[in-house]
Amino acid sequence: SQTIHQWPATLVQPVGSPLSLECTVEGTSNPNLYWYRQAAGRGLQLLFYSVGIGQISSEVPQNLSASRPQDRQFILSSKKLLLSDSGFYLCAWSVQGTGVNGYTFGSGTRLTVV
Amino acid sequence: GNSVTQMEGPVTLSEEAFLTINCTYTATGYPSLFWYVQYPGEGLQLLLKATKADDKGSNKGFEATYRKETTSFHLEKGSVQVSDSAVYFCALSLPGGADYKLSFGAGTTVTVRA
Repeated sequence: SQTIHQWPATLVQPVGSPLSLECTVEGTSNPNLYWYRQAAGRGLQLLFYSVGIGQISSEVPQNLSASRPQDRQFILSSKKLLLSDSGFYLCAWSVQGTGVNGYTFGSGTRLTVV
Repeated sequence: GNSVTQMEGPVTLSEEAFLTINCTYTATGYPSLFWYVQYPGEGLQLLLKATKADDKGSNKGFEATYRKETTSFHLEKGSVQVSDSAVYFCALSLPGGADYKLSFGAGTTVTVRA
């Protein structure tokens, strides 16, 4: 069966520090991968998605970047965090080429920038 | 473009009350429709889905029927429990192509009181 792992679960970082959040998927190959952010009390904002190794699409200009160095690994990074980067970050995956199964989400990373 | 409009929250109910969360959509094409649930501090879980008109998705006592004529996918539960307290997201996807994306509603926060 397929599983998605996301870590760390919680992170407190000072303003100006770097960030690296990792997401891996097991039990499938060539998935679509997604990074979402959920600010406190708000909806989901799609940040990045990827349809293959090295292929990254950015949805919203951000202080963030994403990379996909391996087929089932998706990394969210920042060189210098801002206070406004605080939020709940969710990774998700889906099967390519069909929309009938939706996404499977990871358990999320709670990031607090202080 | 494709979009989902959800009933504004928050919604507060007593245990055993009837719950309805309205969801309407706009899409070019023939979307699949989903309801996701997010329990406090967790990622999103797929609650139910429907892939064609008049399909009824159901899970954990929740139901939603795909109504093409009214472009709606309202979520209902006949008797809620305290454990149903969560944020509920309606979403749609249009299949086809390698990089399909889910369009999410803003989410509806539901609180059930004992």
